[in-house]
Amino acid sequence: QKEVEQNSGPLSVPEGAIASLNCTYSDRGSQSFFWYRQYSGKSPELIMFIYSNGDKEDGRFTAQLNKASQYVSLLIRDSQPSDSATYLCAGGNTPLVFGKGTRLSVIA
Amino acid sequence: GAGVSQSPSNKVTEKGKDVELRCDPISGHTALYWYRQSLGQGLEFLIYFQGNSAPDKSGLPSDRFSAERTGGSVSTLTIQRTQQEDSAVYLCASSFPGYEQYFGPGTRLTVT
Repeated sequence: QKEVEQNSGPLSVPEGAIASLNCTYSDRGSQSFFWYRQYSGKSPELIMFIYSNGDKEDGRFTAQLNKASQYVSLLIRDSQPSDSATYLCAGGNTPLVFGKGTRLSVIA
Repeated sequence: GAGVSQSPSNKVTEKGKDVELRCDPISGHTALYWYRQSLGQGLEFLIYFQGNSAPDKSGLPSDRFSAERTGGSVSTLTIQRTQQEDSAVYLCASSFPGYEQYFGPGTRLTVT
C-alpha cells in the first residue's frame, strides 16, 4: 500500500514566522513530489514540485526532499494570514498518492 | 490558457436518482483523474485515464460508479442510484503523464 503521511494539524504560527510542513512517503520508487494548497471550499492549487534531493526555492516557499529518509517538507517564510489553508503533499507515480493534508493557521 | 472545467458546479439530487458529472481537461493533457472529497476529509482517488489505455478503476467505491472518456478529452462520471453517502465534492484533474496535476473547481453533489 503506497502511502503519504502528513500531520493533520492544525499548525498555528504567528505572522512573519516560518511555517514548516512535513510529509513522509512509503514508496521508495517515488520520483516526484508535489505540494498543493487548498483554501476552504476551493480545489487544490499547485504550489511547488520537486524531483531531486535537496532544496528548491520559489519566492517565500522552499521544498525539501530527502529520498533516503523518504521525507518531503515545505517551508513558508514570512508567513502571512493569506497562507492559512490546508497543504496537501502528493507523491509517487501516476496517479499521485495524496496525503490527507495539514491545516495551517497564520495568526495576525 | 484555459484550465480544467467541470459542470455542473452544484448538483442536488434525490436519493435513488442517477447523476452525471462532466470534466473538460486542459487541452493536450492525456491523463485525467477523478477524486472525491467529503467535508473536512482528504482526496479519495476514484479513477484514472491515460490516453487510449484501459482506465485504472481501482478507486471506484462501488459498481454504482462508472466513468468514461470520449475522444481522449471530455470525461463523464456517472453515479447510479445515488445514496446520501455519495454527497461530496467531486474533483477532476488533468496532467501530462508523470507531471503535476491541475484541478478543476469541482462539482458539489448533495443527495437528499
